[in-house]
Amino acid sequence: GDSVTQMEGPVTLSEEAFLTINCTYTATGYPSLFWYVQYPGEGLQLLLKATKADDKGSNKGFEATYRKETTSFHLEKGSVQVSDSAVYFCALGSNAGGTSYGKLTFGQGTILTVHP
Amino acid sequence: GAVVSQHPSRVICKSGTSVKIECRSLDFQATTMFWYRQFPKKSLMLMATSNEGSKATYEQGVEKDKFLINHASLTLSTLTVTSAHPEDSSFYICSATKAVATDTQYFGPGTRLTVL
Repeated sequence: GDSVTQMEGPVTLSEEAFLTINCTYTATGYPSLFWYVQYPGEGLQLLLKATKADDKGSNKGFEATYRKETTSFHLEKGSVQVSDSAVYFCALGSNAGGTSYGKLTFGQGTILTVHP
Repeated sequence: GAVVSQHPSRVICKSGTSVKIECRSLDFQATTMFWYRQFPKKSLMLMATSNEGSKATYEQGVEKDKFLINHASLTLSTLTVTSAHPEDSSFYICSATKAVATDTQYFGPGTRLTVL
């Protein structure tokens, strides 16, 4: 079945540091890939997505590229801010037919803390 | 926008009682709603998928008689935890999609259930 593996956290960085959170997946077919963010006390928000190989999703300075050859979708940001402190989830969206379409499989989440 | 609300945000109940959690799409019609369970420091686990006017599709290992899902309208789905026990204590999150065959889900803020 589909699965998503994220790097273990927590990740602690100083403001303006470079961020990478690794994400790899296994899936049948050609899934869509997502990064969701959950700020303290809030629900999950879509951060960015990519729907096919070599697509790059980007938002709020974050980027991730859909790499089919390495089955990866690593999240990066060049300069993190304190306000980026949150839990980040990598997810895979099934493009299989029928009732499986749109179902999300999540990674375990990575806690990011950014210090001033 | 695409706002999803949940009510209540937090509930404490006695063992053996039933608890109903509501999920509403506030500014769009939700063709499909999903219910997830999130354990502490763990990923989200999909419990079931519900489409308006039809029976929910439960994931393997989820007891459908214990977790009753009703999707009575295009803006409301409810999850009822029947005869709750302490092991049902968790964070329950719903999400909704705007259209059929779309892979973008909009998440509610979650409901913290504590069973004493």
